[in-house]
Amino acid sequence: AQKVTQAQTEISVVEKEDVTLDCVYETRDTTYYLFWYKQPPSGELVFLIRRNSFDEQNEISGRYSWNFQKSTSSFNFTITASQVVDSAVYFCALGGGGGSEKLVFGKGTKLTVNP
Amino acid sequence: EAGVAQSPRYKIIEKRQSVAFWCNPISGHATLYWYQQILGQGPKLLIQFQNNGVVDDSQLPKDRFSAERLKGVDSTLKIQPAKLEDSAVYLCASRGRTPLNTEAFFGQGTRLTVV
Repeated sequence: AQKVTQAQTEISVVEKEDVTLDCVYETRDTTYYLFWYKQPPSGELVFLIRRNSFDEQNEISGRYSWNFQKSTSSFNFTITASQVVDSAVYFCALGGGGGSEKLVFGKGTKLTVNP
Repeated sequence: EAGVAQSPRYKIIEKRQSVAFWCNPISGHATLYWYQQILGQGPKLLIQFQNNGVVDDSQLPKDRFSAERLKGVDSTLKIQPAKLEDSAVYLCASRGRTPLNTEAFFGQGTRLTVV
């Protein structure tokens, strides 16, 4: 069975601080995909990134960066110089295993960035 | 490009009543999902359509939930009769190509409160 664990329920930081959101996953599949989504108060899930299991290269997009390590089954997300607009719930998700196209989500981490 | 549209945004009903939600996916997207997001948890897949056929409904409580996607475009999700534990946000998402190397786009959801 597939499982995603986001151990941090809530994180509160002050603007301009760096923050890392942890994600640990479990799967027996050799081919799978990992995702991060952002859910602002409006409720819509906004796609941030997708990685496949064969690509462990870390990625940076502006203030966002992702660290994928298969050895520890982790896919952590770092926001550098956080801003108030980053306040949201962030979800890590796992999909694609065994040909399935459904996403299995973690419980989410609520990030609050204070001015 | 228009996003995934859902209606209504909010619905309050009494237990044992019935309710229906509507979703209009992004034009041309063959895959459509309904997810249930209970407060404080990540979204959980209820049903997945590929065009107008059901791909995965293993987590749909079929004694009370039903969904259809006529003509492979719009979809409706119905609950009859509703229970208190059905209070949640119901998210619709759609995706274009296969295999799973493109992201799913989510609507803003319908927040259901059963009293």
